[in-house]
Amino acid sequence: NAGVTQTPKFQVLKTGQSMTLQCAQDMNHEYMSWYRQDPGMGLRLIHYSVGAGITDQGEVPNGYNVSRSTTEDFPLRLLSAAPSQTSVYFCASRERTGSYNEQFFGPGTRLTVL
Amino acid sequence: GDSVTQMEGPVTLSEEAFLTINCTYTATGYPSLFWYVQYPGEGLQLLLKATKADDKGSNKGFEATYRKETTSFHLEKGSVQVSDSAVYFCALRAYSGNTGKLIFGQGTTLQVKP
Repeated sequence: NAGVTQTPKFQVLKTGQSMTLQCAQDMNHEYMSWYRQDPGMGLRLIHYSVGAGITDQGEVPNGYNVSRSTTEDFPLRLLSAAPSQTSVYFCASRERTGSYNEQFFGPGTRLTVL
Repeated sequence: GDSVTQMEGPVTLSEEAFLTINCTYTATGYPSLFWYVQYPGEGLQLLLKATKADDKGSNKGFEATYRKETTSFHLEKGSVQVSDSAVYFCALRAYSGNTGKLIFGQGTTLQVKP
């Protein structure tokens, strides 16, 4: 199993540009989520999905869109990048049921917006 | 709302020293508690977990006990190694059916010197 994979690993954007961060998992997990990691703030939830066709907002959703057309893929879209979106982005997945289930994280995408 | 508070870092220790990283939480009900570790340049990995009061999670020499009376989940290790240098995150998941979200503390950086 590859687990959770993310592409790209690094990206530099100019203000106003758009891009999509890719995330895929091969564990047949129904629950997937996106976090951003900023110094001194831990990880904050952006969006999550409990299954194909179902998405919902997390703590910091503004400026980001998601969709979930398959169980495996959960892309994160930045429609018009802003410097405040400079961060490290992590995708994660887990089995849907059970509050104690381990959440598996991808290696992260480091995004810089100039 | 639910929250997690960790001790401020960075924590710098000599090899074989005793480690404690404090974590306290605020949550309604009975959350599951987790410690995640992030090694340099990598994503987060589950280190240990506890799902009910008085449970002790343990892995790789690390331990943490779920203390409901003090709402704490402190991470301890008797003898740290250089390879333990990483960022440690305390997290909780309050059960809310299928959408239980993982809430993180701000992270504590541990540096172990030889």
